[in-house]
Amino acid sequence: DTEVTQTPKHLVMGMTNKKSLKCEQHMGHRAMYWYKQKAKKPPELMFVYSYEKLSINESVPSRFSPECPNSSLLNLHLHALQPEDSALYLCASSHLGGTGVIGYTFGSGTRLTVV
Amino acid sequence: QQQVKQSPQSLIVQKGGIPIINCAYENTAFDYFPWYQQFPGKGPALLIAIRPDVSEKKEGRFTISFNKSAKQFSLHIMDSQPGDSATYFCAAWGSNQFYFGTGTSLTVIP
Repeated sequence: DTEVTQTPKHLVMGMTNKKSLKCEQHMGHRAMYWYKQKAKKPPELMFVYSYEKLSINESVPSRFSPECPNSSLLNLHLHALQPEDSALYLCASSHLGGTGVIGYTFGSGTRLTVV
Repeated sequence: QQQVKQSPQSLIVQKGGIPIINCAYENTAFDYFPWYQQFPGKGPALLIAIRPDVSEKKEGRFTISFNKSAKQFSLHIMDSQPGDSATYFCAAWGSNQFYFGTGTSLTVIP
């Protein structure tokens, strides 16, 4: 299995809702990432998990809450989002270490619309 | 501060043409330079990548040229096809993360 699977593919939520995005990989990668991507812009790094521990938080608002329950699974919990948070949310995974960038794999993303 | 600068922003070529996309970086600690291809509604997919100890790498119709002294690298797409129409991002790896260029929207006209 060489894929990163993200669910759901599309999500529409109101500003008072609570929802979660899910990401799963079975490649034995011990680093997992969340990115936010606006239309026609590059992905922006949000969070990095290494060995299931949060290692990088790029000053992301607290309405985004990541969770890594095990080495294969990464969640992003959403609460009280704003319309400007509408974007494509990408998950990625990779090995760790000097060659960790090898095999860096993106999922297909969740298209989030906040209404 | 934009760590990786990419140009042009958009590019239109005829089928069979050779589009060239350029990127420049400043941080000499970067040690891995991939190009990603992204179709609408999909995640970025690795196209081809190069390490700074190599000046050129070719995979199928895609070639990376790398100039370490100038801190520049470029993507060439030979015999471009309409199916190559997509957004292309260059990137550089350093400090355990990718730094992406701003993207180039490529359109290949049949």
